[in-house]
Amino acid sequence: EAGVAQSPRYKIIEKRQSVAFWCNPISGHATLYWYQQILGQGPKLLIQFQNNGVVDDSQLPKDRFSAERLKGVDSTLKIQPAKLEDSAVYLCASSLGRGLEKLFFGSGTQLSVL
Amino acid sequence: AQKITQTQPGMFVQEKEAVTLDCTYDTSDQSYGLFWYKQPSSGEMIFLIYQGSYDEQNATEGRYSLNFQKARKSANLVISASQLGDSAMYFCAMEAQKLVFGQGTRLTINP
Repeated sequence: EAGVAQSPRYKIIEKRQSVAFWCNPISGHATLYWYQQILGQGPKLLIQFQNNGVVDDSQLPKDRFSAERLKGVDSTLKIQPAKLEDSAVYLCASSLGRGLEKLFFGSGTQLSVL
Repeated sequence: AQKITQTQPGMFVQEKEAVTLDCTYDTSDQSYGLFWYKQPSSGEMIFLIYQGSYDEQNATEGRYSLNFQKARKSANLVISASQLGDSAMYFCAMEAQKLVFGQGTRLTINP
């Protein structure tokens, strides 16, 4: 079966510019997650969707980050405007949504903000 | 609040030896799950093993086993007969209200 797809793989932008990441979860997976992984740290949850509803966005910097999951399938994560400290790998993951289950991760998007 | 602690930033092990990666956690929830993920240099997170808080037996998956000590709130990963391909970052994670990851341990297997 196809895994979690993410694009782009790499992105370099200047501070104050905007950027968007795309994620296509595994077919049939109800729950979709966006994680931010800063170099040398563990992933930090930014937002969790259950179908097209938000379950948890408590750590999403809402003044600059936004995310949507239209029709409960694909998702986009946007940063506007970007700051230097946003340089990180953005990981998308999905799961069936039954709780206490493994997540399937994409390869991530590596963002560099100059 | 949930907290995961991995105290070993790096580990170096000889090929074919067993290795234990430490993980301690803290939560007030009675029902929770503990996970270990592997992250090779390619960047993708790969699920290794899962332990539920009510599971009485330690989880095992091939060469991976999870040493679950509930009273000590520890969930150490044991890799038996290590291989060169085991070199990677390893993350312990806990799900109670949400899935929270530790800081990770970089494991290097020497030939």
